[in-house]
Amino acid sequence: EIVLTQSPGTLSLSPGERATLSCRASQSVSSNYLAWYQQKPGQAPRLLIYGASSRATGIPDRFSGSGSGTDFTLTISRLEPEDIAVYYCQQYGDSHPEYTFGQGTKLEIK
Amino acid sequence: EVQLVQSGAEVKKSGESLKISCKGSGYSFTTYWIGWMRQTPGKGLEWMGIIYAGDSDVRYSPSFQGQVTISADKSISTAYLQWSSLTASDTAMYYCARRRGPTREFDYWGQGTLVTVSS
Repeated sequence: EIVLTQSPGTLSLSPGERATLSCRASQSVSSNYLAWYQQKPGQAPRLLIYGASSRATGIPDRFSGSGSGTDFTLTISRLEPEDIAVYYCQQYGDSHPEYTFGQGTKLEIK
Repeated sequence: EVQLVQSGAEVKKSGESLKISCKGSGYSFTTYWIGWMRQTPGKGLEWMGIIYAGDSDVRYSPSFQGQVTISADKSISTAYLQWSSLTASDTAMYYCARRRGPTREFDYWGQGTLVTVSS
């Protein structure tokens, strides 16, 4: 099983600042199969980034993804109050289970 | 507009059976996979399994194999997740989500179904 470890657990920043969220895999992950999701309180997860760096439909260009192999990053360039959420990375692979999620990073706005 | 609409919250007792649903609309239901995820405060998001709506090919996570059954009825564009005998540990929020093709991510999610099991 590929384990995804996200850091930090909680991130507290001010509006306008840059947020950098990390996702580290226990084994190499194909970049094609790394995604990021945003989950706001009381809502279902929403797809932000797929294929490690492609933005999903309707996602502002403030959100960007990068990385390869075992290290991936989600960057939010200019934080807005509406970005308060938990962010999850997720990978797909050939080993069982096919999908695993990271434990999430909670983003707080000061 | 693509939508996945899940059935409502359930309160059950240990040992009871349950089947929750996920109805797709706004796209060709039979040409996509539908995944099921469990979310709990303790374990976060977990992938349970996935079904191809066109031919009901199902893949399960080893953690959930034998514990749940995933099925679909393509005539009504609906996927299902069912339990034959619930336990308190099944208390969770359950989400269905559509899997997109080449890059395998889940692009549309249902609103979630909260299942509460009392002992």
